[in-house]
Amino acid sequence: EDQVTQSPEALRLQEGESSSLNCSYTVSGLRGLFWYRQDPGKGPEFLFTLYSAGEEKEKERLKATLTKKESFLHITAPKPEDSATYLCAVQGEGNTDKLIFGTGTRLQVFP
Amino acid sequence: DADVTQTPRNRITKTGKRIMLECSQTKGHDRMYWYRQDPGLGLRLIYYSFDVKDINKGEISDGYSVSRQAQAKFSLSLESAIPNQTALYFCATSDPKGGARPQHFGDGTRLSIL
Repeated sequence: EDQVTQSPEALRLQEGESSSLNCSYTVSGLRGLFWYRQDPGKGPEFLFTLYSAGEEKEKERLKATLTKKESFLHITAPKPEDSATYLCAVQGEGNTDKLIFGTGTRLQVFP
Repeated sequence: DADVTQTPRNRITKTGKRIMLECSQTKGHDRMYWYRQDPGLGLRLIYYSFDVKDINKGEISDGYSVSRQAQAKFSLSLESAIPNQTALYFCATSDPKGGARPQHFGDGTRLSIL
């Protein structure tokens, strides 16, 4: 069964304190792994797609990496505006367009 | 204007009532989805549609029905609402071209059933 597990559930950082969020996955033939950001009262906002092990994507202070079993979202020198819940999702070979989501990591960055 | 618009944004209703949640999109995508989000459970797929004539059940379709009125419109109905259907509901769209593509979400409907 396809599964996505995110850790930690919650993370508190001081502004400027770099860290990483983890997404471990089990899927039958990975077609893509997606990272989203979700702010309170809003829908998930697409950040990155990763397709194969070794791939990396960057956007401002965020960098996503992928291995055969997990993905990391590295946050470098975070700012308070980076506070949000970060969601990971996978799409497998046999699932057409279906996304399997993790439960997310709630990040709080304090000034 | 938002690319994916959901109405209403908030709804409180009573057990047994029929409810319709609406979704419209201006992205021109063929594929549309309905999810619910519950604390600790993440997003779960209710129904999805690849075009107006192609509608499929997701992992938690019991108690729900959908209607794809046009390429741009996809509605979710709760025929007889029950309290455990209290949740955040999201509509999403995707473009099928070119392999694994991200889904783009609306801002959701917060539904409370008393």
